[in-house]
Amino acid sequence: DTAVSQTPKYLVTQMGNDKSIKCEQNLGHDTMYWYKQDSKKFLKIMFSYNNKELIINETVPNRFSPKSPDKAHLNLHINSLELGDSAVYFCASSQGSSGGHRIAKNIQYFGAGTRLSVL
Amino acid sequence: QKEVEQNSGPLSVPEGAIASLNCTYSDRVSQSFFWYRQYSGKSPELIMSIYSNGDKEDGRFTAQLNKASQYVSLLIRDSQPSDSATYLCAVGKDSGGYQKVTFGTGTKLQVIP
Repeated sequence: DTAVSQTPKYLVTQMGNDKSIKCEQNLGHDTMYWYKQDSKKFLKIMFSYNNKELIINETVPNRFSPKSPDKAHLNLHINSLELGDSAVYFCASSQGSSGGHRIAKNIQYFGAGTRLSVL
Repeated sequence: QKEVEQNSGPLSVPEGAIASLNCTYSDRVSQSFFWYRQYSGKSPELIMSIYSNGDKEDGRFTAQLNKASQYVSLLIRDSQPSDSATYLCAVGKDSGGYQKVTFGTGTKLQVIP
């Protein structure tokens, strides 16, 4: 059973379209994240949720809207896709508030990534 | 100044040698430090974590932390071609009651057979 699973693995779409990426974790973690990794391999935090509450919201265009229906799921919806949105998007989870030691709280487990190509 | 800085490489070492990867961070209140390995086309995976000054060893890997110098390093002994990957340094700190982890841009390691 995959610990952090995200779908789809590949997403090819036209500019201006709206798309969603889904993420689920079965680790019992409280905290989930979305990262964007660009062509230069820089892994940048976009959002983080702890028990369905948004706790980190970096400078991301408001075309990106995360949704966490429960603590095991964090989805990412992107409106009006642009060429610059092409990247690999990683979902991750960590123990967060449920962890004991701060190191254990912060260890992040990543999904396999979604490669988004906007044409 | 970037929060977490790494030399992008590539760092080339011969098989069997020691690979030394370095990372500096800007925020003195940082509390937890991680090294992730990312193979091409794959997701990052944790290989080491450290939070107190000194060395921490796990098999062929040793993480070193010097909070006074705001410096963390990763040594890989007896490097193998399978160690060829990008190594991401990550630093955690309290942010509004939660822990926030910032990643560096990664160092690409090439182990030459």
